[in-house]
Amino acid sequence: GAGVSQTPSNKVTEKGKYVELRCDPISGHTALYWYRQSLGQGPEFLIYFQGTGAADDSGLPNDRFFAVRPEGSVSTLKIQRTERGDSAVYLCASSLTDRGNSPLHFGNGTRLTVT
Amino acid sequence: TQLLEQSPQFLSIQEGENLTVYCNSSSVFSSLQWYRQEPGEGPVLLVTVVTGGEVKKLKRLTFQFGDARKDSSLHITAAQPGDTGLYLCAGGYKLSFGAGTTVTVRA
Repeated sequence: GAGVSQTPSNKVTEKGKYVELRCDPISGHTALYWYRQSLGQGPEFLIYFQGTGAADDSGLPNDRFFAVRPEGSVSTLKIQRTERGDSAVYLCASSLTDRGNSPLHFGNGTRLTVT
Repeated sequence: TQLLEQSPQFLSIQEGENLTVYCNSSSVFSSLQWYRQEPGEGPVLLVTVVTGGEVKKLKRLTFQFGDARKDSSLHITAAQPGDTGLYLCAGGYKLSFGAGTTVTVRA
């Protein structure tokens, strides 16, 4: 079956621009997570949704970052006034539930480069 | 925040050798997950350990969860080039990850 799909796979933008990153989770998965990963590091938690609501957004670094999941499936991570430090791979994952031992299924990520 | 520390950061070995990577925390976890990530791809789940002292085997990979549920290890027997990748442990309700161990198996 289809896995988690993230688009675009690569995004190059200029400093100060606005970007949107899209995540299509596995059908039926109620929990959706966004992570950010720098080269050679583990994924850093940003936000997770249970259904349509953001259950925990404590990992969002500042108010330039925002994410939505209006219908409980597709999610969009939005970054305003991008900075060079925002350059990273943004990973999305979904799981059947948000219980601690429910496995996460990751997409291949969007590589964001801010020039 | 429940922090997970992984060691070593890098490991390079010859094909056929054994290796062990570690995941440690000062916090107790109800479960820990191990993932492997290859370049350009997202992490893929290898195993979830739930019970203190638990040992799980996945072909040549052996995972152990510490008795106190604060640490875990991954042992690979007779490593192959296909085992090359970034090994990550993760736990907690919002699934926090360690920094990972980059394993390189040379042919």
